[in-house]
Amino acid sequence: QTVVTQEPSLTVSPGGTVTLTCASSTGAVTTGYYANWFQQKPGQAPRALIYSTSNKHSWTPARFSGSLLGGKAALTLSGVQPEDEAEYYCLLYYGGAQGVFGGGTKLTVL
Amino acid sequence: EVQLVQSGAEVKKPGESLKISCKGSGYSFTSYWIAWVRQMPGKGLEWMGMIYPGDSDTRYSPSFQGQVTISADRSINTAYLQWSSLKAPDTAIYYCARQISGAYDYWGQGTLVTVSS
Repeated sequence: QTVVTQEPSLTVSPGGTVTLTCASSTGAVTTGYYANWFQQKPGQAPRALIYSTSNKHSWTPARFSGSLLGGKAALTLSGVQPEDEAEYYCLLYYGGAQGVFGGGTKLTVL
Repeated sequence: EVQLVQSGAEVKKPGESLKISCKGSGYSFTSYWIAWVRQMPGKGLEWMGMIYPGDSDTRYSPSFQGQVTISADRSINTAYLQWSSLKAPDTAIYYCARQISGAYDYWGQGTLVTVSS
């Protein structure tokens, strides 16, 4: 059973920078895992932020960026805003057809 | 405008069957995968499986294989998720989402399924 691991929670100050990571139990995450990142606020459907590791959607704020970092997929928020407080999920693809979500990171802006 | 509109909330008893839907509009429905995602109360997202309406190619997570059936009717641009016999732990919000080449973009609003005797 493949497991994708994220930090359970992180806290950041307004205007600060924070990096969330996404690790695979199978080893290093590469571009072949097509990492996607999603933001979910309470009572709302998830919103797509990043696809294929580092690509932004047209609606993704510029302060969000995706990358690979130390064998993990990473989501970096630079210049954090209060409205960025949310749960963040990564999704990795295995064998090109099976998706696995990470457990989510609860980001607190304080 | 791309939209995925899901069917309304359902309340069912254990053992009953159910089919929920996700209707796509504003794009070529047969050219994108539709994935289904479960979110149990207070929990994270779980990838269940996906279907390519163009040829009905379907993939399932091992965790959900045999537990649900994913299908699509491309004549009405609609994907489905169905259960033959619901259980209480199936209580969750179910989302559909559009995907192409591993990139997810648009999501449905979610369908709340409550299974209770």
